[in-house]
Parts: sequence; structure tokens; C-alpha cells
Amino acid sequence: GDSVTQMEGPVTLSEEAFLTINCTYTATGYPSLFWYVQYPGEGLQLLLKATKADDKGSNKGFEATYRKETTSFHLEKGSVQVSDSAVYFCALSPNFNKFYFGSGTKLNVKP
Amino acid sequence: DTGVSQNPRHKITKRGQNVTFRCDPISEHNRLYWYRQTLGQGPEFLTYFQNEAQLEKSRLLSDRFSAERPKGSFSTLEIQRTEQGDSAMYLCASSSTSGGGTGELFFGEGSRLTVL
Repeated sequence: GDSVTQMEGPVTLSEEAFLTINCTYTATGYPSLFWYVQYPGEGLQLLLKATKADDKGSNKGFEATYRKETTSFHLEKGSVQVSDSAVYFCALSPNFNKFYFGSGTKLNVKP
Repeated sequence: DTGVSQNPRHKITKRGQNVTFRCDPISEHNRLYWYRQTLGQGPEFLTYFQNEAQLEKSRLLSDRFSAERPKGSFSTLEIQRTEQGDSAMYLCASSSTSGGGTGELFFGEGSRLTVL
């Protein structure tokens, strides 16, 4: 069945460090891929998405590229800030009917 | 845009009691989803509605769980005879797949259930 696997956390970085959070997926067909973020005390919110192979989603300095050949959608940011501390969830949807989420990766950014 | 609203935000109950959660989606959204999230895990699909029709229900959802969306607007999730294993955060999300909607999920802040 469809599923998402993402790297375990927590990931601890210093401010201005480079961030990569790995996400790989298993799906039949060509799903849409998402990164959601959950800040402390808040609900999940969409960070970025990509709907077809080679698409790059970007928002707030974060980027992820839909790689069909490696079934991956890794999240990157060139310079993290303390305010980026949150839990990040990778997700896929085959057809915008059901959405499958990874287990989340907690990011701690230290000043 | 008032966002997705869930009530109550936190419910503490004794094992065996019934609980009900309410979700008010974004008003123009035709789809409404219920997910469950336990500590350290991602959201797990429970069920979803398109307008008032319940289109899919997870096999993980026991018959103690029931959800309704009677007029295609708000939804309720009821858990009967609660068990300690039901303790979790219950998340509601809505989306729009019509009129140019992009289909992505918008989440509420969740309702946390603690079963003693």
C-alpha cells in the first residue's frame, strides 16, 4: 500500500545551518507529495507541495523536489532560524482522496 | 477565513464513557477528514466525507467509532465505551475539490482525548 518513510528525529541544528530532512515514499502511480509543519501548540499547516515528477515545491525558504527515480521528496533549507523549530511531516496523496503521513521529524534550532 | 475549528480542545473521561468531538470546517470546503495522532506518530486516517456522504472509513476504525456530517457542514466524531487505547489527538481537516479548489488539507488544532 501507499506509505511514507521519513528520517527520525530529533534533528538539532544551530541557527543558519543547512537543513535536510529525508522522505521517501511507496506508491502505485504518481501521487502528489507534501510537507506539512506543526509549530508548538498549533495545528498542521501545509508548507509546500509538488504534484508531478521533477516539480519543486518551495515556501518560506524551504524547498523539496519530487524525484520519481528515487521515490524521494527531501526537504531542504539553506539557513534555518530558531523560528523554524517545529515538527515536519512528509505526506502523499494518490488522488486527493486519502492522504498518508510519515511519522514526523522534530527540528530544534538553537541560537 | 476562520479556519477549521474543533471542540472541545481537551477531553478527559473515564473508561467506558462516550465522548463526542465536533469539527467545523472552512465554510466552502466540500471534504472533511478525521485523523488520529498519537505521540511521536503522524496523523492516521480514520474517515472522510464529501459533502454529507461518508466515502471511506479506515479498517482500523472499530464499530465503537462513528462519524457524521449531517448537512455537509460540521461533523461529529463519537467514540462509545472509550478505552485507554483511544487516548490520542483527534484531528479534523477540510479541503475543497470543487470550484478551483486545490484539494490540499487544512487542519484544525485537534481535540485531545485522555481516557483514565
